[in-house]
Amino acid sequence: DGGITQSPKYLFRKEGQNVTLSCEQNLNHDAMYWYRQDPGQGLRLIYYSQIVNDFQKGDIAEGYSVSREKKESFPLTVTSAQKNPTAFYLCASSMAGGKIHEQFFGPGTRLTVL
Amino acid sequence: GQQVMQIPQYQHVQEGEDFTTYCNSSTTLSNIQWYKQRPGGHPVFLIQLVKSGEVKKQKRLTFQFGEAKKNSSLHITATQTTDVGTYFCASNDYKLSFGAGTTVTVRA
Repeated sequence: DGGITQSPKYLFRKEGQNVTLSCEQNLNHDAMYWYRQDPGQGLRLIYYSQIVNDFQKGDIAEGYSVSREKKESFPLTVTSAQKNPTAFYLCASSMAGGKIHEQFFGPGTRLTVL
Repeated sequence: GQQVMQIPQYQHVQEGEDFTTYCNSSTTLSNIQWYKQRPGGHPVFLIQLVKSGEVKKQKRLTFQFGEAKKNSSLHITATQTTDVGTYFCASNDYKLSFGAGTTVTVRA
């Protein structure tokens, strides 16, 4: 059963702690993305990766870090430098290449920082 | 930053009625994608438009890309309770820029 998985669905952390959100896909997609969703603001791109061992900053990368050591995995670390980390985080993947492709989204992780 | 603006932000519809949501840009877009996110869920791809003036239909949903490729619309006829959710347009290259979405509620 192909798809994207994110875990956990809900995550609680204390202020000042780093936290890593997982994202795994078995769709054999080269490209992966992390978005943040806040009420009324749609989806904002945090980081994206077009290929293994390479990634680029999106529109709101400050306070976040990523790695892409495997094609299937694109974990996101929310660091203590992120001023307002409480949000809904969505991971997505797509085929890469010159053509524009649809993105497949995971179920999301709702992070609450107390 | 955000390249596409969506209006209205909220759409309250009587069941059975039609409505339209719009996606506008100040620059020419190479393509438009539309996604639907059900309450508590994640965005799901609906359709992609790439040609000027392109019109595509999916049952009660009609998607249109403007002649100048600066705007797009989603028209839903005979709204049903299953249409509840937030509809996003998104555009441009592999680094998609999403609109803020139109959140649709339906009165039975």
